[in-house]
Amino acid sequence: EVQLVESGGGLVKPGGSLRLSCAASGFTFSNAWMSWVRQAPGKGLEWVGRIKSKTDGGTTDYAAPVKGRFTISRDDSKNTLYLQMNSLKTEDTAVYYCTTDLQHFPEYWGQGTLVTVSS
Amino acid sequence: QAVLTQPSSLSASPGASASLTCTLRSGINVGTYRIYWYQQKPGSPPQYLLRYKSDSDKQQGSGVPSRFSGSKDASANAGILLISGLQSDDEADYYCMIWHSSAWVFGGGTKLTVL
Repeated sequence: EVQLVESGGGLVKPGGSLRLSCAASGFTFSNAWMSWVRQAPGKGLEWVGRIKSKTDGGTTDYAAPVKGRFTISRDDSKNTLYLQMNSLKTEDTAVYYCTTDLQHFPEYWGQGTLVTVSS
Repeated sequence: QAVLTQPSSLSASPGASASLTCTLRSGINVGTYRIYWYQQKPGSPPQYLLRYKSDSDKQQGSGVPSRFSGSKDASANAGILLISGLQSDDEADYYCMIWHSSAWVFGGGTKLTVL
């Protein structure tokens, strides 16, 4: 059974940084493309970015609003996905979901972790 | 103009069918895209339902009932999620998604009320 458990959310001031983690199990993590998707309170879904498997180059793609501020990485030895968020803005406040893209699209989703950016 | 436009809400009766639309922006041809559909209930993450490009290129999500199906209306440049035999448990938010300009793009979502 695919399991994705996000952690690391919390309250941070504008301009601050935060690193989210996503622990994966139930599938071969090293072969999987992975994504982050966020959802602001009461709003719709917004894709943040993805990372391909190392065998597919390990490259990353990002949505325009976070490009240059957010970095996605992975540690295949720990079956863990990361999202480093810098220069945070109030509009980054959202629940952040980790997804596994086994078929190269967001298929399985974690429960999410809440990030609140506020002074 | 948004890439994907969904009606904000839709109501239907139990046992009836509901047709949820996802309209692509003018200039983006629905025929060239796989459209993905997700269901999200309050307090839960989205769940993948299905994807549809054509009758020969479609996929039902694991465990998703056949009451959920996808199609397209080329004349309206839209993808459609059809839910037949509506049940109270189908009450949820529904999102469409496509891969466009090197990014996954979501529609704004439709809140389906079953009453």
